[in-house]
Amino acid sequence: GQNIDQPTEMTATEGAIVQINCTYQTSGFNGLFWYQQHAGEAPTFLSYNVLDGLEEKGRFSSFLSRSKGYSYLLLKELQMKDSASYLCAVSPGGTGRRALTFGSGTRLQVQP
Amino acid sequence: EAGVTQFPSHSVIEKGQTVTLRCDPISGHDNLYWYRRVMGKEIKFLLHFVKESKQDESGMPNNRFLAERTGGTYSTLKVQPAELEDSGVYFCASSLRGFSGNTIYFGEGSWLTVV
Repeated sequence: GQNIDQPTEMTATEGAIVQINCTYQTSGFNGLFWYQQHAGEAPTFLSYNVLDGLEEKGRFSSFLSRSKGYSYLLLKELQMKDSASYLCAVSPGGTGRRALTFGSGTRLQVQP
Repeated sequence: EAGVTQFPSHSVIEKGQTVTLRCDPISGHDNLYWYRRVMGKEIKFLLHFVKESKQDESGMPNNRFLAERTGGTYSTLKVQPAELEDSGVYFCASSLRGFSGNTIYFGEGSWLTVV
């Protein structure tokens, strides 16, 4: 089966750093995605990891450990606009299968 | 460049009625996906088109749901007859041909309420 876990809610302070963790158990693995979603809007692609290690993109970084089934999204220099839901999604892979399995999302509240 | 667009953005229908949701993917994207999020749950995969062909429809909940992509451009998702548990947000997404980490772009979703 497919199982993706991430915290339901997190709170952080403007200017600080926050790490959102995601653990997964899937029957296959063909990459892990992070999406940002503001209420009522489309999920927006943030990052993709398929190899172990850290991918840095501006204020956002994403880390993957395939052996541990673990990823995190690191947000630096938090801004108020970063308040949103952050979705961890895994592509289990398999011939022709590109469906993403999503976690329930982590709702991040950035406070002044 | 236009993103993934979905219509209608919101729909309220009565149980037993029919609703058709439309998705226009990003131009040139062969891959088109439908996902759904019901209240309080995670986004779940429904099906995947490659051009006009259904590549994977393992997530379709039952035969009340019918998806089409005639001509390999826009897609429709019809729910007939609608039930209360069909309420939720239906997301469409698209990506270029091939996988290798290609970004999957999502639309803003069609919010369906069945009363």
